[in-house]
Amino acid sequence: KNEVEQSPQNLTAQEGEFITINCSYSVGISALHWLQQHPGGGIVSLFMLSSGKKKHGRLIATINIQEKHSSLHITASHPRDSAVYICAVEEETSGSRLTFGEGTQLTVNP
Amino acid sequence: KAGVTQTPRYLIKTRGQQVTLSCSPISGHRSVSWYQQTPGQGLQFLFEYFSETQRNKGNFPGRFSGRQFSNSRSEMNVSTLELGDSALYLCASSLGPVGYEQYFGPGTRLTVT
Repeated sequence: KNEVEQSPQNLTAQEGEFITINCSYSVGISALHWLQQHPGGGIVSLFMLSSGKKKHGRLIATINIQEKHSSLHITASHPRDSAVYICAVEEETSGSRLTFGEGTQLTVNP
Repeated sequence: KAGVTQTPRYLIKTRGQQVTLSCSPISGHRSVSWYQQTPGQGLQFLFEYFSETQRNKGNFPGRFSGRQFSNSRSEMNVSTLELGDSALYLCASSLGPVGYEQYFGPGTRLTVT
């Protein structure tokens, strides 16, 4: 069993839909990161959070430390949101090294 | 402020050769982490440097090594290349070793033939 699991693995949506990607982890963490990777490889950090909720534009990330679960929401999705979204955790015992989920491939159709 | 830069961007090497990849962090960032991304294994942590010291090492063979210089620039070296080392190698920099957002470079795509 992977320490970080994401669901779904693939997601196809129509433009304007509300999207949720889930991340569950099995270890104690000091922080959780949501990353976005476009074709070509470049990775952009979307959020780093250790409690509660953060919002940036149409993106919202939440985390429940007790349940070891985080969600990434995209409101009013757009084709330019099409990318791989990756959840990664900083384990309490491992400093800043990141352990990654397998990623969620999101495709938003116009 | 310039982002994280990695050189070279693309590299083709032959089995048995060695390779050195370079990463220049964002100005002021003192922590550099390296990751390997392959279709089969996904993203995996290689190592992390802070103030010229290796703080963490992932589960990779000793053929993988790295270092960090006093200006925070970092290099990673892979000796005796194997076909399975073909991957996208990413580095990320952050202000400090724990609890800081990581900023990723564009990666170096290594192909071993």
